[in-house]
Amino acid sequence: NAGVTQTPKFRILKIGQSMTLQCTQDMNHNYMYWYRQDPGMGLKLIYYSVGAGITDKGEVPNGYNVSRTTTEDFPLRLELAAPSQTSVYFCASTMGLTQVGTGELFFGEGSRLTVL
Amino acid sequence: KQEVTQIPAALSVPEGENLVLNCSFTDSAIYNLQWFRQDPGKGLTSLLLIQSSQREQTSGRLNASLDKSSGRSTLYIAASQPGDSATYLCAVRRSWSGGYQKVTFGTGTKLQVIP
Repeated sequence: NAGVTQTPKFRILKIGQSMTLQCTQDMNHNYMYWYRQDPGMGLKLIYYSVGAGITDKGEVPNGYNVSRTTTEDFPLRLELAAPSQTSVYFCASTMGLTQVGTGELFFGEGSRLTVL
Repeated sequence: KQEVTQIPAALSVPEGENLVLNCSFTDSAIYNLQWFRQDPGKGLTSLLLIQSSQREQTSGRLNASLDKSSGRSTLYIAASQPGDSATYLCAVRRSWSGGYQKVTFGTGTKLQVIP
């Protein structure tokens, strides 16, 4: 089982560059999330999606964009990278209300981003 | 607004001790509660999931309980080992009341088991 797959695992960006973090899940989950975790801190929600074509902002959306064109994929776009975006990014997924399952939240292994 | 608190923030115990980690939440309208562990520099590994209708779940040396009415969950670790050293997080998923079921994370308890 692949579960939730994130790429890349590591990336160094220069200030002002842009990039996309990829997230794919193979569990047919409707709900997908992007979190960031700063060193020694908890998880903060950036964006979430409840299904293809539906996304919404979390607690810290500034500087990021997302799209959800398919159930499987939920890419996170960083525009004009800033040092404050240095963090570890986690993608997660879980079933939606109309889906059968336990509601367990599954995480990817994370993408470690450094902006210099 | 749901608030999830984990106390203590850090805990150091000798190997072999039984220990309890606490997770408190302010809104009892939950769908489920999930415990994770996170090793340094790593992702989140799911340990146990408790549905709102359940009182406890067990996996090996781990036992998680849930008391919705008091807004508490505990993670019991029996016969702790150095390999249990990690940060433990609880996450609460809100029950559906229209719209999005928010998941709220606690800030974690950092456990160190000393050989």
